[in-house]
This record gives sequence, structure tokens and C-alpha cells, in this order.
Amino acid sequence: GNSVTQMEGPVTLSEEAFLTINCTYTATGYPSLFWYVQYPGEGLQLLLKATKADDKGSNKGFEATYRKETTSFHLEKGSVQVSDSAVYFCALSDPLGATNKLIFGTGTLLAVQP
Amino acid sequence: GAVVSQHPSWVICKSGTSVKIECRSLDFQATTMFWYRQFPKQSLMLMATSNEGSKATYEQGVEKDKFLINHASLTLSTLTVTSAHPEDSSFYICSARVQGLSTEAFFGQGTRLTVV
Repeated sequence: GNSVTQMEGPVTLSEEAFLTINCTYTATGYPSLFWYVQYPGEGLQLLLKATKADDKGSNKGFEATYRKETTSFHLEKGSVQVSDSAVYFCALSDPLGATNKLIFGTGTLLAVQP
Repeated sequence: GAVVSQHPSWVICKSGTSVKIECRSLDFQATTMFWYRQFPKQSLMLMATSNEGSKATYEQGVEKDKFLINHASLTLSTLTVTSAHPEDSSFYICSARVQGLSTEAFFGQGTRLTVV
């Protein structure tokens, strides 16, 4: 079945450091891939997405490229800020599925220190 | 973006009682809503998919008589935890899909349920 594996946290970085959060997936067909962010006390927000191989999703300085050959969708940011501290979830959605439901990874807590 | 409001944000109830959680799409019509459960340090586990005007589709292992889902309108879905037990304590999150868009889903802020 479809599944998502992402690196365990917490990830602790200093401000302006480079961020990578790894995400790999297993899926039949050609899923869409997403990164969601959950700030403390809030719901999930879509950060970025990619719907086909080699697409690059980007938003707020974050980027992730859909790599079909390595079944990966790693999240990167060149210079993190304290305000980026949150839990990040990688997810996939099978567009051929009847309900197009999202399947999530376990989430990675990012803590950025000033 | 579209707004999904979930209420209450937190609730404490006694064992054996029932608790209702509401999920509303405030500025769009949602033909499909999803209910997730999140355990500490774990991922969101899909519990059920709710379609307006029809019965919910439950994931394997989720008791449909325990977790009652109603999706009576295009803007409201409810999850009722019946005869709650301490092991039902968890973080419950709903999401809604905008009608006509196949991939975008918007999430509520979640409900922290504690059963004592």
C-alpha cells in the first residue's frame, strides 16, 4: 500500500542554518506529494506541493523536488528563522484513489534557536 | 486560502459519556471531509472519509459505532465519540476538500480530547 517515511526529529538548528528534512514514499501509480506545516496550537497548513515527477514546489523559501527515480520529496530551506519552528509533515495523495485521501508521514519537529 | 473551523479546541469528559466535535468549512463548500486522529509523536491516522449526504467510509480498524460521523451539509461534518474511554484521548483533526479541486485539502485546528 501507499506509505510515507520521513526522518525523525526533533531537528534543532541555529538561525540561518540550512535545513533538510528527508521524505521518501511508496506508492502505486503517480501520487501527488505535499509538505504540510503545523505551528504550535494550530491546524495543518499546506506549505508546498508537486503533482508530477521533476516538479519543484516552493513557498516561503522552502523547496522540495518530486524525484520519481529515488521516490523522494525532501524539504529544504537555505536559511531558517526562529519563526519556522513547527512540525512538518510529508504526505501523498493518490489521484486515482476513489477519495483522493492524504497519507502522512510521522512528522518532524523543527526547533530553530536564535 | 479556505478556512476550516473545528470546535471545540479542547474538551475534557468523563468515561462513558459522548462527545461531539464539529468541523465547518467557513467560506467554501466541501463535498468531502476527512477525520484524522493524531497520537503523541505519531502521524495523522485517517479514521474516515465523510461525503455529504451519504454514509461515511471508515478505515480498517476504526469502529464505526464508536466514532459516529455525520455530514449533513456541504459545510458541516461532525464526529461523535460515543461512550468515551481514556484510550480515546487523542488529538482529532478534520480536513475538507474544496469542491472541484482534486488535490487541495484544508485542515481545522484540531480538538484535544481528554477522557478521565
